[in-house]
Amino acid sequence: AQRVTQPEKLLSVFKGAPVELKCNYSYSGSPELFWYVQYSRQRLQLLLRHISRESIKGFTADLNKGETSFHLKKPFAQEEDSAMYYCALISGNQGGKLIFGQGTELSVKP
Amino acid sequence: ETGVTQSPTHLIKTRGQQVTLRCSSQSGHNTVSWYQQALGQGPQFIFQYYREEENGRGNFPPRFSGLQFPNYSSELNVNALELDDSALYLCASSSLLGLGYTFGSGTRLTVV
Repeated sequence: AQRVTQPEKLLSVFKGAPVELKCNYSYSGSPELFWYVQYSRQRLQLLLRHISRESIKGFTADLNKGETSFHLKKPFAQEEDSAMYYCALISGNQGGKLIFGQGTELSVKP
Repeated sequence: ETGVTQSPTHLIKTRGQQVTLRCSSQSGHNTVSWYQQALGQGPQFIFQYYREEENGRGNFPPRFSGLQFPNYSSELNVNALELDDSALYLCASSSLLGLGYTFGSGTRLTVV
């Protein structure tokens, strides 16, 4: 079964601390993985995708096929990073639907 | 107007009623997907339309149906509403299947 698991519902860190939001997936084949972010009272928006290997707002994520993980990392958290983060993969079986994890709320304290 | 717009933003319906939610996709996007997000959960895929035809469906009963129009806007219809249908309904559009979906702000549906 295709599935995305985010084991932490809430992650609380202090400003300047490193952040790692965990994401594990189950998928047969080569997955396309994404991180979406939802700031307070704003719509869900794409943060980054693994195929572009980019860094957005200081966040990076590396696909580890051996561990079936796609953890999101940032070396120094900022207060404005506080938001809901969703890991998702594209399922090619049904026209490219996104399969989301349950989300992790990141709270960065001053 | 760029971006994905959804209407209405909030809606309260009675169990057993029918509801229609609307979505205008981002300019240039020809693929529209609908998601249901229950409180505290990640979005769940309902179905997707590409060039006015359904080309993928999640685990939702037939009382969830949709349409896509020639201008690529879309509707989600839900018949015989149940209390568990209460959720945030998200619309997302894309210009290429599976890449870079743009989400709307959603419609908050409450079934009482």
